[in-house]
Amino acid sequence: GQQLNQSPQSMFIQEGEDVSMNCTSSSIFNTWLWYKQDPGEGPVLLIALYKAGELTSNGRLTAQFGITRKDSFLNISASIPSDVGIYFCAGQLRAENSGTYKYIFGTGTRLKVLA
Amino acid sequence: DSGVTQTPKHLITATGQRVTLRCSPRSGDLSVYWYQQSLDQGLQFLIQYYNGEERAKGNILERFSAQQFPDLHSELNLSSLELGDSALYFCASSVTSGGTDTQYFGPGTRLTVL
Repeated sequence: GQQLNQSPQSMFIQEGEDVSMNCTSSSIFNTWLWYKQDPGEGPVLLIALYKAGELTSNGRLTAQFGITRKDSFLNISASIPSDVGIYFCAGQLRAENSGTYKYIFGTGTRLKVLA
Repeated sequence: DSGVTQTPKHLITATGQRVTLRCSPRSGDLSVYWYQQSLDQGLQFLIQYYNGEERAKGNILERFSAQQFPDLHSELNLSSLELGDSALYFCASSVTSGGTDTQYFGPGTRLTVL
């Protein structure tokens, strides 16, 4: 089945540093989504990318939909302590038989920011 | 606030028991997805409903079942509970618009099986 390889698995960075994480797959996706999850909370949608090559920003966050449609990256600039959490990528594609959409999630990047 | 609601927030029960988790999707969203997240693990897809019909199944145990009602809210039923069923259970809903589909998560139900 489809899998998403998300890296790095975890990161410890200093406040103010930039962060970069990415997801790759052998499958082609229609949409890439990036979520952040705080402990014990539901994942919150950060950025949605709908077109290959698309580069989208949301404040200090920037994400890109890879031109091959098989990868995506998320950058966080000038990290702050509240950026701590788990970041998940998700690839979305149309399900073969159901006519709806299915989502494949990466394993997450655990980010810790040292003040 | 994503607009997806889940109840209860926390649930503590004993092995062998049965529980029901409830999810209300965002207004207008027809698809509901259920996920399980064990401690420090990723999101495991369980099952998806679209407008009342089951559309996809993931790694859902036979002891688990779900349904989506005419008002589009969904319930996940977990029976014969085991210690290993302790986890966060998330519901997500999505809407298709302009050829794109975006998924939003609820706050989750934390299930503890003692």
